[in-house]
Amino acid sequence: QSALTQPPSASGSPGQSVTISCTGTSSDVGRYDYVSWYQQHPGKAPKLMIYEVTKRPSGVPDRFAGSKSGNTASLTVSGLQAEDEADYYCSSYAGNNHFGIFGGGTKLTVL
Amino acid sequence: QLQLQESGPGLVKPSETLSLTCSVTGGSISRINYYWGWFRQPPGKGLEWIGSVYYSGSTYYNPSLQSRVTISVDTSSNQFSLKLNSVTAADTAVYYCARRGNTGYYHDFWGQGTQVTVSS
Repeated sequence: QSALTQPPSASGSPGQSVTISCTGTSSDVGRYDYVSWYQQHPGKAPKLMIYEVTKRPSGVPDRFAGSKSGNTASLTVSGLQAEDEADYYCSSYAGNNHFGIFGGGTKLTVL
Repeated sequence: QLQLQESGPGLVKPSETLSLTCSVTGGSISRINYYWGWFRQPPGKGLEWIGSVYYSGSTYYNPSLQSRVTISVDTSSNQFSLKLNSVTAADTAVYYCARRGNTGYYHDFWGQGTQVTVSS
């Protein structure tokens, strides 16, 4: 299974919106509504931000929103804040006995 | 609040076996429909799923690592463990344990991670 494809970097100014894409195939992103997004600050563990494409865990601001169209999932961060600067990873279920795959990560910079 | 904590040697020699344990506190590892997983992140790179275990002992492995990985669970100690044999420098990474949520496929609680370096 190949990794999901994410842009290596994204950026925006405080208050703006930015969207990060995550492209898979019809065997993973396109087949299952099991896409999740994780935020990772340097030296820290990943933090779940979005699961099952659009759902937000308790405590995650509604500035974070997920969506999916075909084989591509997206994470939109609205009203950018300095603390949103981090690496973001998408993940998808890929079937085959609980197999899960990740994207290569996108470094979000708040200008 | 559920907490996970990885423990184990930070330095492993090439060709030897990497062994890590994840201790779970604040909740039972035997809860139905929750799975427990291991992940790793090489320096400057992305995340990789290694494998998962259910409290019953059922295991699921990344095909790329399956021949070298063993994950086990100890419900009496509320812990699960990872063994990766025949390690090389390519196995140097931060290793994380995490809980998979009880619906779909996502990991909602993570350990802080532990650095494992493979070097002689």
